[in-house]
Amino acid sequence: KQEVTQIPAALSVPEGENLVLNCSFTDSAIYNLQWFRQDPGKGLTSLLLIQSSQREQTSGRLNASLDKSSGRSTLYIAASQPGDSATYLCAVTGTASKLTFGTGTRLQVTL
Amino acid sequence: DVKVTQSSRYLVKRTGEKVFLECVQDMDHENMFWYRQDPGLGLRLIYFSYDVKMKEKGDIPEGYSVSREKKERFSLILESASTNQTSMYLCASSLFSTSGSGELFFGEGSRLTVL
Repeated sequence: KQEVTQIPAALSVPEGENLVLNCSFTDSAIYNLQWFRQDPGKGLTSLLLIQSSQREQTSGRLNASLDKSSGRSTLYIAASQPGDSATYLCAVTGTASKLTFGTGTRLQVTL
Repeated sequence: DVKVTQSSRYLVKRTGEKVFLECVQDMDHENMFWYRQDPGLGLRLIYFSYDVKMKEKGDIPEGYSVSREKKERFSLILESASTNQTSMYLCASSLFSTSGSGELFFGEGSRLTVL
């Protein structure tokens, strides 16, 4: 059974810092990995999708990497801003197109 | 931009009532999903559908049913609501992909409280 872990569960950084969020998964037989952002009381917003054949994806200040063999992905956020404060979740798609979500990292960027 | 619209952001219902949660997507996606999200438990898949009139059980289908009569609409039904179904319900959609699920897009969520 696929298990997805996100560490740390919570993170507080001052504005302007670069930061890395981690996602690890137990079964490397995945089709893709997706990073989402969730604001309190809202739905999930897709940030980046990495196919299993890819090593990384970039969108603006966000860069996500994937190391399928070691079961790890990182989300790098450059020059963090207070508006980046949210919960970040990763999800992997495995066999039978089943998605497994991590429990998220709650990020707070302080002024 | 893909838009997934959930009909109700907040609902309050009484135990035993029948509850309908509606979800509509405007990007002609084949796949549609219903999740519930609870503190400490994360997102759990209730039901999903790969095509019109087609449905598959997810991890926690008990107490729920679904309907997909049109490609763009996926409804979640609670036949007799119970207090343990108080939760945030999230609908999502994606394009069919031969390499697994495509990019997943979510609605804003429906916060259901059952009294």
